[in-house]
Amino acid sequence: AQRVTQPEKLLSVFKGAPVELKCNYSYSGSPELFWYVQYSRQRLQLLLRHISRESIKGFTADLNKGETSFHLKKPFAQEEDSAMYYCALLSGAQKLVFGQGTRLTINP
Amino acid sequence: GAGVSQSPSNKVTEKGKDVELRCDPISGHTALYWYRQSLGQGLEFLIYFQGNSAPDKSGLPSDRFSAERTGGSVSTLTIQRTQQEDSAVYLCASSETGGGYQPQHFGDGTRLSIL
Repeated sequence: AQRVTQPEKLLSVFKGAPVELKCNYSYSGSPELFWYVQYSRQRLQLLLRHISRESIKGFTADLNKGETSFHLKKPFAQEEDSAMYYCALLSGAQKLVFGQGTRLTINP
Repeated sequence: GAGVSQSPSNKVTEKGKDVELRCDPISGHTALYWYRQSLGQGLEFLIYFQGNSAPDKSGLPSDRFSAERTGGSVSTLTIQRTQQEDSAVYLCASSETGGGYQPQHFGDGTRLSIL
């Protein structure tokens, strides 16, 4: 079964501290994974995808096939990073399977 | 338009009534998706349209749910005989095609409340 698990519903860190949002997946095949973000009063939007191997807004995510993980990391959190983060797995041609999301709060 | 447009933004209705939710995708996008965002449930895939192909309905939770896409553009999600568990935010997304995965662009959603 294709499944995405985000074990933390809530995560709170102080500004300037490192942050890691966990994501584990279950998929029989070569996975394609994404992080989506929803800031307060804004639309859900793509943050990054593993195939691009890029850093967006200081965030990176590495696909670890051995651990079936795709954790999102940022070395120094900023207040504007407070948002809801969703990890997602591409299923089939286009369908996305989402995790339940993690609400990240950055404390000043 | 500049992005995916959904209407209404909010809908309150009584249990047992039918509702229709509308989605206008980004112009030129041939793929359209519906998702449901329920409290504590994350985002669930409902249905996917790609061009003139038969839609992927594998995520529809019951036969009370249906969707159509007219002229390859606007889509309507219909829920018949609504139940309280249908209360959720219904999100629409669209994407281009052309081979490989194209990012999905989401609308603001319709917040549906069943009394």
